[in-house]
Amino acid sequence: QVQLVQSGAEVKEPGASVKVSCEASGYTFTNYDIYWVRQATGQGLEWMGWMNPNSGNTGYVQKFQGRVAMTRDASISTAYMELYSLRSDDTAVYYCARKGVAVPGPYYSDYWGQGTLVAVSS
Amino acid sequence: EIVLRQSPGTLSLSPGERATLSCRASQSVSSSNLAWYQHKSGQAPRLLIYGASSRATGIPDRFSGSGSGTDFTLTISRLEPEDFAVYYCQQYGSSPPTFGQGTKLEIK
Repeated sequence: QVQLVQSGAEVKEPGASVKVSCEASGYTFTNYDIYWVRQATGQGLEWMGWMNPNSGNTGYVQKFQGRVAMTRDASISTAYMELYSLRSDDTAVYYCARKGVAVPGPYYSDYWGQGTLVAVSS
Repeated sequence: EIVLRQSPGTLSLSPGERATLSCRASQSVSSSNLAWYQHKSGQAPRLLIYGASSRATGIPDRFSGSGSGTDFTLTISRLEPEDFAVYYCQQYGSSPPTFGQGTKLEIK
């Protein structure tokens, strides 16, 4: 069965960076894009960007341009999301999610990781 | 980007009742590329509906989606206790994909 297992919670100081991992299993990792979505406390879901595990190509929402990097290690079926220059309003649960279909363009997500809490506080 | 507005913000109903959730887009969603997710606190979101009306694998038939253009609806025909959660719509017809702010379905 398809599973996405994320790394554990992190506490960071403002200005630091954080790297969240997402290990995929149960399918061919390189066939489906990985999306990253976050949810700040009391807020809705916010789509951050995508990464193609085969090519390594990425696309980020303008809000995060220059402050996020989505990468992968295909040899271990793991995707990563690194967010730099953390601020208090980056405190959120970060989810990785699998794109639902293996075709170009944006799509829905059919499988999600369990979420990783990133808390930014001095 | 397309803005999605969900209504109501909170819906209070009893098990066995019918729930109707609305999602309105700021511009037409191409090819009915709209999805619905169920999200319970501390859990991963769960895909319910894609393509506006297609149920995802394993989703009970009490969940149904409808609509096109700018107006979409998620209907839960007879609420079960496990259905009380937050529901989000998402459009993926244009980039970037965007989510509505959510409707909280709570037990009355």
